[in-house]
Amino acid sequence: EAGVAQSPRYKIIEKRQSVAFWCNPISGHATLYWYQQILGQGPKLLIQFQNNGVVDDSQLPKDRFSAERLKGVDSTLKIQPAKLEDSAVYLCASSLAEKQYFGPGTRLTVT
Amino acid sequence: TQLLEQSPQFLSIQEGENLTVYCNSSSVFSSLQWYRQEPGEGPVLLVTVVTGGEVKKLKRLTFQFGDARKDSSLHITAAQPGDTGLYLCAGEESGGGADGLTFGKGTHLIIQP
Repeated sequence: EAGVAQSPRYKIIEKRQSVAFWCNPISGHATLYWYQQILGQGPKLLIQFQNNGVVDDSQLPKDRFSAERLKGVDSTLKIQPAKLEDSAVYLCASSLAEKQYFGPGTRLTVT
Repeated sequence: TQLLEQSPQFLSIQEGENLTVYCNSSSVFSSLQWYRQEPGEGPVLLVTVVTGGEVKKLKRLTFQFGDARKDSSLHITAAQPGDTGLYLCAGEESGGGADGLTFGKGTHLIIQP
């Protein structure tokens, strides 16, 4: 069974630039999550989708972060403009029931 | 937002030793999960505990959920170098299994041969 796919794996940008991350969840998984993991910390939930609807985006910095899952499958997370403190690993996870499966993450470095 | 505190933050021990890591909160969780994360990869679920006082064993790993469902522990017997990694506990606030998780900061474990 194919796992959660994410791209790119690494991205380096300058502050104030824009960046987008892509996630392809496990086939058939209705729920998709984006987490931010800053170095030395555990993942922090940014947004949760159920099919193509947002369930929870209470911790998403909406002034600069946006995410969509238009067809209820793939999802993109965008940061515009990026700040130095956005440097982190961005993890995508999907679930069908109770268990969440995580992708390998995208490591973002903002200089 | 409920917080989970993990201790110790770092632990380096010799192969064959036993160890326990802790996950504590002042809040009640409907369930707690333990994950292991290796560099460059996403967390991988080890176990989910749901019932207060529950104990689950996974080979040399023993997981316990506190009676009040506010804390959990992970005990590893006869640690091996392959156990090296970042161990994360994560709590789900309400039942159903589909909520986003609240993670602790993790315990970085190094098992030296």
